[in-house]
Amino acid sequence: ETGVTQTPRHLVMGMTNKKSLKCEQHLGHNAMYWYKQSAKKPLELMFVYSLEERVENNSVPSRFSPECPNSSHLFLHLHTLQPEDSALYLCASSQARFSYEQYFGPGTRLTVT
Amino acid sequence: RKEVEQDPGPFNVPEGATVAFNCTYSNSASQSFFWYRQDCRKEPKLLMSVYSSGNEDGRFTAQLNRASQYISLLIRDSKLSDSATYLCVVNMGGYGGSQGNLIFGKGTKLSVKP
Repeated sequence: ETGVTQTPRHLVMGMTNKKSLKCEQHLGHNAMYWYKQSAKKPLELMFVYSLEERVENNSVPSRFSPECPNSSHLFLHLHTLQPEDSALYLCASSQARFSYEQYFGPGTRLTVT
Repeated sequence: RKEVEQDPGPFNVPEGATVAFNCTYSNSASQSFFWYRQDCRKEPKLLMSVYSSGNEDGRFTAQLNRASQYISLLIRDSKLSDSATYLCVVNMGGYGGSQGNLIFGKGTKLSVKP
């Protein structure tokens, strides 16, 4: 049973839609992350939050907007996405910003039509 | 040169076989190294950390060669349940900027057949 949950597990959206991905961690961790995993590409780090403060934005387009209201919850707000944004979006958490073990959620499979 | 490079495979091996995966990393300042396992359509999970002296966990042995910037994972007596993608992961360490981020390889796919 993973300590990191994500909803929805699957999402299909049009390019003009607005949707949000949700992540919740039940591990008491202080750092949370958004990753993108595309076919035949390595995991790409998108955003890092430490103690609810965004500490890294890895050159992600502004159509992706993260939000971390508290240390247990992380959102990724999506708007005017492109078909190339279709991917698996993974949330992860770790004890602290530089803790080496990250625990991943099951991911949201996003398809942009 | 890619930051973390792995042979994508797939490696198709019979049950009971020994299989080895290799990984190279480009940044000599990298401090920590890991192997994660990702099952089909599932999230990555930590398999084991990799220490300079080498370390073993049951049928799995990890080795690190800092001079060559090379990491390996050896699986002995392969089981059907070992079928997955194995991700080589490097952490820069430190406390500034992007240091501390995990850098993932694309992964090596293993398929163990009966």
